[in-house]
Amino acid sequence: EDKVVQSPLSLVVHEGDTVTLNCSYEVTNFRSLLWYKQEKKAPTFLFMLTSSGIEKKSGRLSSILDKKELFSILNITATQTGDSAIYLCAVEGGTSYGKLTFGQGTILTVHP
Amino acid sequence: KAGVTQTPRYLIKTRGQQVTLSCSPISGHRSVSWYQQTPGQGLQFLFEYFSETQRNKGNFPGRFSGRQFSNSRSEMNVSTLELGDSALYLCASSPRGEESGYTFGSGTRLTVV
Repeated sequence: EDKVVQSPLSLVVHEGDTVTLNCSYEVTNFRSLLWYKQEKKAPTFLFMLTSSGIEKKSGRLSSILDKKELFSILNITATQTGDSAIYLCAVEGGTSYGKLTFGQGTILTVHP
Repeated sequence: KAGVTQTPRYLIKTRGQQVTLSCSPISGHRSVSWYQQTPGQGLQFLFEYFSETQRNKGNFPGRFSGRQFSNSRSEMNVSTLELGDSALYLCASSPRGEESGYTFGSGTRLTVV
């Protein structure tokens, strides 16, 4: 059974801090790993990673995948209160189409 | 470009009733998948449809069913509602349902009383 574990489960920081969120996974026939941000309802897409060692960046956010060690990290630099949200990691793999297996999520709270 | 649209946004039902939720994917997306999100279990996969065919199903009882129409719009149905079915139901659309990214709708908040 596919498994995704995120850590930490919650994190409280102050504006300007840098945070690193972790995601480890076990999945047969890995295809991709995705990061989402969920504030109210709809998870919004951040990154999709398929290749090891290639960093993806979007503004203050960046992410990298290690397919040998089976994990990914999401970095957020110079955090802002608007970064407060649940960050979800999901993997796509096996012979299952259209199915994402999600981790529990990391609740990030950024104080002014 | 319109996003993924789910209706209704909120729903309150009584135990034993049935409910139908709707999801309109992004234009051109042929894959629609459904998830249940609860505080205790997180996001759990229900099923996925591609070109009107169910390709994949999660570990949910038979009370949960779905279908997809020729225009890619999808519906999910839950019969004989239980209190534990109270959750946020999210759908996601994708061009082909693999390695092409998934865009989520805002969900339907179902409360069973």
